[in-house]
Amino acid sequence: AQSVAQPEDQVNVAEGNPLTVKCTYSVSGNPYLFWYVQYPNRGLQFLLKYITGDNLVKGSYGFEAEFNKSQTSFHLKKPSALVSDSALYFCAVRAGSARQLTFGSGTQLTVLP
Amino acid sequence: DAGVIQSPRHEVTEMGQEVTLRCKPISGHNSLFWYRQTMMRGLELLIYFNNNVPIDDSGMPEDRFSAKMPNASFSTLKIQPSEPRDSAVYFCASSLRAGGAGNEQFFGPGTRLTVL
Repeated sequence: AQSVAQPEDQVNVAEGNPLTVKCTYSVSGNPYLFWYVQYPNRGLQFLLKYITGDNLVKGSYGFEAEFNKSQTSFHLKKPSALVSDSALYFCAVRAGSARQLTFGSGTQLTVLP
Repeated sequence: DAGVIQSPRHEVTEMGQEVTLRCKPISGHNSLFWYRQTMMRGLELLIYFNNNVPIDDSGMPEDRFSAKMPNASFSTLKIQPSEPRDSAVYFCASSLRAGGAGNEQFFGPGTRLTVL
């Protein structure tokens, strides 16, 4: 079985400040981890993924995520938030043997000007 | 590439009517997924196909829902008869082989369904 938790429904951050959106996961075996972003009235867009290798993964729009195996976490980060980063963010996980992704419940990020 | 294409973008219908949602995956992708998104339940996987064959339909809520993929470039999700609780945004996504290491999914813009 595989599962993912996003403990925060809502994250607010001031423009220019660093942001973190949290994600923890549970899988059997090695995880494949993903972050997606959803803007209003749009489909989900892929941001970044961790497959293997360097624990720090860099993705689109200046986002990065750090894979932490001991804490089973894959938090999304950005050094300096923009108002345009305001959106709904989804973490997703797949075990190596699984065929489908399991998505978290989503975190609404609001960047305040 | 135009990305995943879904039609219609919006559908309003009355309870009891048949609804058909359509999806064209990205060319060359051989896995296709149908999701439903609601405020209450978040994003739910309904069914997915590999090489046009349904692999897992355990997420399909009930017999009123059916999905087909007659060829690699087209899929439909049908609800018959529709009910108000089916109101949601339905997303189609495609990817390279679903079991492939780390293949991300590409989502369409969604169909917003309202059943009155």
